Amino acid sequence: DIQLTQSPSSMSASLGDRVSLTCQSSQGIGNYLSWYQHKPGKPPKPMIYYATNLADGVPSRFSGSRSGSDYSLTISSLESEDTAIYYCLQYDEYPLTFGSGTKLEIK
Amino acid sequence: EVQLVESGGGLVQPGRSLKLSCAASGFTYSNYVMAWVRQAPTKGLEWVASISTGGGNTYYRDSVKGRFTISRDNAKNTLYLQIDSLRSEDTATYYCALRFDYWGQGVMVTVSS
Repeated sequence: DIQLTQSPSSMSASLGDRVSLTCQSSQGIGNYLSWYQHKPGKPPKPMIYYATNLADGVPSRFSGSRSGSDYSLTISSLESEDTAIYYCLQYDEYPLTFGSGTKLEIK
Repeated sequence: EVQLVESGGGLVQPGRSLKLSCAASGFTYSNYVMAWVRQAPTKGLEWVASISTGGGNTYYRDSVKGRFTISRDNAKNTLYLQIDSLRSEDTATYYCALRFDYWGQGVMVTVSS
């Protein structure tokens, strides 16, 4: 099975900071990786699909990138509403797998 | 507007069965792969199962193979998850998802005696 390793597991940053979250794949998955924002009591919200494409309605301060088997979700200027757990998902092959998540908090 | 509404959750004793439903609307249901994802309390998201557009191909995570059955009724625009031999570790919020682009609000399943 493909393992996705997310780092860091948690972090806190200040409003306006540039923040990058990382997801490393144990095998090649091409660009078949997406990112989700998850807040308590709500369903996951798609943020990025196919590694670099912004999902509908997602603010432009979010972006996705890929370098080999390393994938990143970057927030260019952190806002208070960005507090959440962020998960990556590989959909290249079954079984599909999520990373363990990065909990992002505001200082 | 895409809507996915799950139902069928609740408190169930270990070893019993449960069938979750997900009513879909706002899109051509029969054209899309559908999936179930769950989140146990204090844990992360976990893909459970997926089903092809016609229902002929199904995929499961290893820990639920043989106990969970994903199915769909394209005439009723409904996705199902039959869960047999429930275990405490199946306690979770279960979400149905349309290609992981759209998600339902989730339904809670609690397995306890």
